[in-house]
Amino acid sequence: GDSVTQTEGPVTVSESESLIINCTYSATSIAYPNLFWYVRYPGEGLQLLLKVITAGQKGSSRGFEATYNKETTSFHLQKASVQESDSAVYYCALGEDTGANTGKLTFGHGTILRVHP
Amino acid sequence: GPKVLQIPSHQIIDMGQMVTLNCDPVSNHLYFYWYKQILGQQMEFLVNFYNGKVMEKSKLFKDQFSVERPDGSYFTLKIQPTALEDSAVYFCASSFPGGRQNTLYFGAGTRLSVL
Repeated sequence: GDSVTQTEGPVTVSESESLIINCTYSATSIAYPNLFWYVRYPGEGLQLLLKVITAGQKGSSRGFEATYNKETTSFHLQKASVQESDSAVYYCALGEDTGANTGKLTFGHGTILRVHP
Repeated sequence: GPKVLQIPSHQIIDMGQMVTLNCDPVSNHLYFYWYKQILGQQMEFLVNFYNGKVMEKSKLFKDQFSVERPDGSYFTLKIQPTALEDSAVYFCASSFPGGRQNTLYFGAGTRLSVL
């Protein structure tokens, strides 16, 4: 089946440092997967951070970016300079582009990010 | 931004009893979903629901599970009877139709503890 593997946390960085959270995927049942990063802040539900539906494209939001690399089956999340408010749990996910709203996503385990001031 | 509310945040129940998990989706959303996350594991898709019907369900969606959204109120997940392996965090999500792979909005989850 489909699977997503991401950096095992927690990841601890200092404010203003750079960040990379790795994500690789295996889409055995989906020909053209769409890729997502979701984030969960303490006490809140998952929020979509960014999504990319076309291989080779880059998505960006709130200073985060990720490039859909079909050759390496990767979708790493990067940020040049993190802030304390970025402390959260980050989830990489893939979904099928069927044109229908199935909402059927395959998630990674999530990576806890702690940013120290 | 839009909020999905899940009530309560934690529910404790004895094995064999019935439990109903409630979800208040975003008001104009038409698609609804439940996901399950066992401690230490990934979130996994359970079911999606549209126009009063289940569209797709995973193998995790056992016969003891049912979903409904009567009269446009709460979207509910009912488990009857509960089993120990049903202990998990259940996440509700909703979305508005349109576009490719529409954006899901998730609630904060209900932690279900079956004793």
